[in-house]
Amino acid sequence: NAGVTQTPKFQVLKTGQSMTLQCAQDMNHEYMSWYRQDPGMGLRLIHYSVGAGITDQGEVPNGYNVSRSTTEDFPLRLLSAAPSQTSVYFCASSSDSSGNTIYFGEGSWLTVV
Amino acid sequence: SQQGEEDPQALSIQEGENATMNCSYKTSINNLQWYRQNSGRGLVHLILIRSNEREKHSGRLRVTLDTSKKSSSLLITASRAADTASYFCATSGGSYIPTFGRGTSLIVHP
Repeated sequence: NAGVTQTPKFQVLKTGQSMTLQCAQDMNHEYMSWYRQDPGMGLRLIHYSVGAGITDQGEVPNGYNVSRSTTEDFPLRLLSAAPSQTSVYFCASSSDSSGNTIYFGEGSWLTVV
Repeated sequence: SQQGEEDPQALSIQEGENATMNCSYKTSINNLQWYRQNSGRGLVHLILIRSNEREKHSGRLRVTLDTSKKSSSLLITASRAADTASYFCATSGGSYIPTFGRGTSLIVHP
């Protein structure tokens, strides 16, 4: 049972570089989301998707893009990395709306220098 | 902005003691969930309580919900060193997306 798989686990970027964090789930979940976690800030929602072809912004969307071409995949793109985007990123999925169990990936540690 | 806020921010206890952490929120909810995060790992779902429920149990976990006070508590009985982790509450209202608090960091000393 793979669940939610994120890659890469660790990444160092230079300011201005772009990259994509990959997220895949094998549970046929409609709902997927990306969070970032910073010390003392808890989890903040970046973008989310309620199904293939549908995405929306969360609390902190600036500097990030997402797309949802398939049910399984929900990549997060950093367009031009900034030191403020140094964080731990979590992808998550859920089968239904309004509070079913959310399954999280193991996280991607990103450092922007 | 974050809906749920956990209290205390940090909790340090001895193995065998009970650990209680609280979550307060501001607007009406459909349900509230508690998650655990071990250091360097993703969040793991512990328990969900719906707005029409007052108490729920799962093993050594007991969750209460008081919608009139907009608060919930998570009790871990007979704590073990393996319970050392951060605990988060997540609230869900009218939309899908749950919002998370900043978490309570629990340390259980052997």
